[in-house]
Amino acid sequence: GDSVTQMEGPVTLSEEAFLTINCTYTATGYPSLFWYVQYPGEGLQLLLKATKADDKGSNKGFEATYRKETTSFHLEKGSVQVSDSAVYFCALTTTDSWGKLQFGAGTQVVVTP
Amino acid sequence: DAGVTQSPTHLIKTRGQQVTLRCSPKSGHDTVSWYQQALGQGPQFIFQYYEEEERQRGNFPDRFSGHQFPNYSSELNVNALLLGDSALYLCASSFLDRRNTEAFFGQGTRLTVV
Repeated sequence: GDSVTQMEGPVTLSEEAFLTINCTYTATGYPSLFWYVQYPGEGLQLLLKATKADDKGSNKGFEATYRKETTSFHLEKGSVQVSDSAVYFCALTTTDSWGKLQFGAGTQVVVTP
Repeated sequence: DAGVTQSPTHLIKTRGQQVTLRCSPKSGHDTVSWYQQALGQGPQFIFQYYEEEERQRGNFPDRFSGHQFPNYSSELNVNALLLGDSALYLCASSFLDRRNTEAFFGQGTRLTVV
């Protein structure tokens, strides 16, 4: 079946540091890939997406590139802020099960001043 | 646009009871999906509704059932509650059209079973 594996947290960083969160996937169909963010006490917000190989999704300084050859979709940000502290989820949906999102376990990011 | 709204925000139930959670989708969206998020874990897909029918279902027992109304709003029902059903229940709305891939999530309903 489809699955998403992402690096365990918490990831603790100082403000202005570089952030990388690794995400790899297995999928039976052709997946679209997503990063969602969850702030404390809130639901999920879509951060960025990529729907085909080599696409780069970007938003709010975050970027991720859909790498079909390595089945990866790593999230990066060049300079984090305290306000980026949240839990980040990598997710996919496939052409075989359109609209059903398969999530990773989440990575908590803590940014300190 | 109010986005996806869920009610109630918090709920405490006793083992064996039944619960109904409600979701109003983002304006214009025709598809509603439900997810269960246990503490410290990623959301798990329960099921998806489109045109008042269940389109897809995840690996959840029949105690979990749902409904979609003509105005696209939806309910999630859980019977014979277990302690393990304690979780954040998230509703997501979207278009079924594959050309538009974004799902919008509500704030969730925090269910505690005691």
